[in-house]
Amino acid sequence: KNEVEQSPQNLTAQEGEFITINCSYSVGISALHWLQQHPGGGIVSLFMLSSGKKKHGRLIATINIQEKHSSLHITASHPRDSAVYICAGDSNYQLIWGAGTKLIIKP
Amino acid sequence: DAMVIQNPRYQVTQFGKPVTLSCSQTLNHNVMYWYQQKSSQAPKLLFHYYDKDFNNEADTPDNFQSRRPNTSFCFLDIRSPGLGDAAMYLCATSRGRGEQFFGPGTRLTVL
Repeated sequence: KNEVEQSPQNLTAQEGEFITINCSYSVGISALHWLQQHPGGGIVSLFMLSSGKKKHGRLIATINIQEKHSSLHITASHPRDSAVYICAGDSNYQLIWGAGTKLIIKP
Repeated sequence: DAMVIQNPRYQVTQFGKPVTLSCSQTLNHNVMYWYQQKSSQAPKLLFHYYDKDFNNEADTPDNFQSRRPNTSFCFLDIRSPGLGDAAMYLCATSRGRGEQFFGPGTRLTVL
């Protein structure tokens, strides 16, 4: 069992749909990161959170420390949101990476 | 704009020929990281600098070395690249244990 697990692995949706990607972790972490990676591209940090909820534009990230669970939501999804979304647990400068969720938004 | 810059974006080297990858940052972050990412895999941390303190991951091969001459610059040296070292190399920075900011990566090809 991986220390950080994401679901689903792949997600295809229509433009405008509300998207949810889930992340569960089984290790002690000081924070959880959500990152985005486009094909062949670098990695962009979306959120770093240790409690509660953060919002940036159409993106919302939540974390439940007791349940060791985090979610990333995308409202009004757009084809440009198509990318791999990765959650990673922060443990003493080491990021423990999830396997990523490949998201495709169709026009 | 403050950013993390990696040069070159694409590097081709020959088997066994030393290569140096470069990372610079204008964020004035005190922590810099080097990751190796192979196709369809998560990035793997090779080492990080906290200020001038070098921290090597236990499983990073001796073939990989790093230098950080000042706050802004960090270099990854691969002394004798093998075919298995072909990968994307990502540099990242953070302020302490804060959010990490990634560069665009250098894709290394070993012939």
